[in-house]
Amino acid sequence: EAQVTQNPRYLITVTGKKLTVTCSQNMNHEYMSWYRQDPGLGLRQIYYSMNVEVTDKGDVPEGYKVSRKEKRNFPLILESPSPNQTSLYFCASSFYRGSEPQHFGDGTRLSIL
Amino acid sequence: GQQLNQSPQSMFIQEGEDVSMNCTSSSIFNTWLWYKQDPGEGPVLLIALYKAGELTSNGRLTAQFGITRKDSFLNISASIPSDVGIYFCAGRGSQGNLIFGKGTKLSVKP
Repeated sequence: EAQVTQNPRYLITVTGKKLTVTCSQNMNHEYMSWYRQDPGLGLRQIYYSMNVEVTDKGDVPEGYKVSRKEKRNFPLILESPSPNQTSLYFCASSFYRGSEPQHFGDGTRLSIL
Repeated sequence: GQQLNQSPQSMFIQEGEDVSMNCTSSSIFNTWLWYKQDPGEGPVLLIALYKAGELTSNGRLTAQFGITRKDSFLNISASIPSDVGIYFCAGRGSQGNLIFGKGTKLSVKP
């Protein structure tokens, strides 16, 4: 089954404690991206990757890092989380940038206290 | 930056009614997309529009790509309870970036 899998699904943590949200896809997609969803703001892109070792900033990259060492994985790293990063995060993938559909994971709800 | 204005923000309708929502922008987009998000899940693509003026249907859903390339609408006919969710429009610019609207929350009363 074609899937984008995110872990964890829920996390409550404290300010400054480094965390990583993993994302894995099994469709051999080249393009992967991270979004955050906040009430009243829709989805905003954080980072994206067009292929292995190729990453670029989206619209709201501050406070986040990503890596793409393998095609299937695209982890999102918060080196020093702050309360304003409390949000619902989605990973997505597609064959290439601009191809449809983009497949989304089921989301990770992060609460930073 | 590019922004999409999606309206309405929320709708509360009776089962069987038709629904209409739209997105407008001051920017031109090459592709318009409509997604639906169910609670606890990620968005799922409903309809993709690639050409100005294009009108596309997917079951009870119909969407159009405005001829100015700055707007799109989505209609749902004869709504049913499982239509409940948040609907997002998204526009893809010439750089390949995808901009999302803020969403329309649809509630359907049986």
